[in-house]
Amino acid sequence: AQTVTQSQPEMSVQEAETVTLSCTYDTSENNYYLFWYKQPPSRQMILVIRQEAYKQQNATENRFSVNFQKAAKSFSLKISDSQLGDTAMYFCAFMKPRTSGSRLTFGEGTQLTVNP
Amino acid sequence: KAGVTQTPRYLIKTRGQQVTLSCSPISGHRSVSWYQQTPGQGLQFLFEYFSETQRNKGNFPGRFSGRQFSNSRSEMNVSTLELGDSALYLCASTLAGSSNYGYTFGSGTRLTVV
Repeated sequence: AQTVTQSQPEMSVQEAETVTLSCTYDTSENNYYLFWYKQPPSRQMILVIRQEAYKQQNATENRFSVNFQKAAKSFSLKISDSQLGDTAMYFCAFMKPRTSGSRLTFGEGTQLTVNP
Repeated sequence: KAGVTQTPRYLIKTRGQQVTLSCSPISGHRSVSWYQQTPGQGLQFLFEYFSETQRNKGNFPGRFSGRQFSNSRSEMNVSTLELGDSALYLCASTLAGSSNYGYTFGSGTRLTVV
């Protein structure tokens, strides 16, 4: 079974600065997907960024980028130019695609607070 | 286009009762998954439905069940409620075969069992 670990329960950053959230995972699979989701107080889980394991290039979405280290099974999220609206719980998630249906395995989450 | 809609937003039930939660996926999405979120256990997968069939199930007791209708709307049911069932229940949808692109979640139903 896969496990996902986020070792930082809480983090804070000043507005406009850069912050990195850590995530490690354990799997014996070679083909899988990794995601970062954001959950603001509205409770809706919002997809921030995704990474395909077979791609060596790190994914980037505007101010969000990842550092994917497949051998080390590490998948960190970097948020540049932090904004107050980035304040939320961030979850790292793993998924092994299967024709019989897939599921997301989530980490414990990191509460990020952006301070003005 | 409309997102994933979950109803109701909040629910208070008494131990021993049963409850039904509803989820309407994004139009065109045929796969619906359910997750339970609690402070102690985090986010845990309940089950996934596709074309009215359950094709994936997590480690939850049989009191937790679900179904999917021909229009892809899904319901989950919890019978004989226990205090520990208090949680945020999240529904997520995706295009069949395109779950690699991630799931779109609803805002959840907050269930409180008293």
